[in-house]
Formats: sequence, C-alpha cells, structure tokens
Amino acid sequence: GAVVSQHPSWVICKSGTSVKIECRSLDFQATTMFWYRQFPKQSLMLMATSNEGSKATYEQGVEKDKFLINHASLTLSTLTVTSAHPEDSSFYICSAPSGSYNEQFFGPGTRLTVL
Amino acid sequence: GNSVTQMEGPVTLSEEAFLTINCTYTATGYPSLFWYVQYPGEGLQLLLKATKADDKGSNKGFEATYRKETTSFHLEKGSVQVSDSAVYFCALVSNDYKLSFGAGTTVTVRA
Repeated sequence: GAVVSQHPSWVICKSGTSVKIECRSLDFQATTMFWYRQFPKQSLMLMATSNEGSKATYEQGVEKDKFLINHASLTLSTLTVTSAHPEDSSFYICSAPSGSYNEQFFGPGTRLTVL
Repeated sequence: GNSVTQMEGPVTLSEEAFLTINCTYTATGYPSLFWYVQYPGEGLQLLLKATKADDKGSNKGFEATYRKETTSFHLEKGSVQVSDSAVYFCALVSNDYKLSFGAGTTVTVRA
C-alpha cells in the first residue's frame, strides 16, 4: 500500500521556539493532506486540510497563525508550530488520500513535547 | 454534519475470547466506513474498510459489515490474541475526504 512518512518522529523543544514537522507521501502524489492532533487516550482531531498550491483550510478553533501549513509539492506538506507552549504538546499525525475509495494513509506520527 | 459514535472502553478480554466493538454513524450522502487500529506509540493503520451498503470488510480475522438500515459498522473477531491489544477507531469519510473518527476503544487481551 501507499506509504506516508513523518519527520521527526519525536521532538522536544523549549517554550517559545518553533517546530517544523514534515509529512511526505513516498510512492504517490497527494494534492491534499490532512493534519491531526491526538491528546493522550483521545481520538484524532482534524486540524487542517493542506492543499498543494493554495492555502490550507483550518478547522474551527484552530489558529492558523499558530499552526502554519505549507504544501510545497505534491509529496510534501509541512506543519510549523510557532512559538510553541506546553499546551501544544501532543501527537501530530498527517494523512493523505490515495486510491478510489477515499482511503487515507497515515504517517507514523510526531510526538511534540514543549518544555 | 458527519459523526461517529463508538462503544466506550476500555475492554479487557482473555485470549481466544470473542470481541465486538459497536460503531454507529450519522452522515450525509453515502460515506465509506473504516476501522483503524493504533498500537502503542504508533500512528494509525487501516484494519478494514467498506465502501457501500452490505459490504463486509475483513482482515486479520476481524470483520465488519456496512449496515445502512441501522447505520452501523460493528467490529468483530471470533478469537482474539494478545497481539490484538490496541486502540481501535471507527471512522467514516464522505466526498470531501475528511475523516470523522469515533472516540476510540482501548482493547487489552490477557494471556
């Protein structure tokens, strides 16, 4: 099946710094990618839809200036958490649709810890 | 809007027991339905899917049937193993590709 990678797999940063997370589709092209965050023992919450060549679409309640998304190519989307604070600590997961049945393939996730 | 209601856990079973996780949904149009599994510290993996009414998805001994009349997609496995311990998410997607997830059910299988 299709493969989606994320980098880094985990990151620890100081409060106030910015962190960039990459999501890549390795063997298929994705004009759309999705970013989720998952708090411990909770479900995934969709943050935004990343669109290649245009602005990302954010879900209600998600600060677009806080979570910058850039879909630079058909295989790469990046999520930058700007001026990170401890409450931004979470598991961030990306996905990309592939195939004819709206099937999505998920990256392995990035664990962000803000000290 | 779309929503998924999933049986709350946690669920604890003995090996070889029968597992059922209930899932019902609300959606406009004709969604595709999925079960995803998440092992500790990992991302989500697709377990099985069904794209239209009466379809049965199956994988690794797990099954789920798309029931349009009851808007349900219950997950079942006849004989669980310790390696099936994970969090299971029911999900649906409509034409906009956006996935709506259930809350997740933590399953622990004891030897």
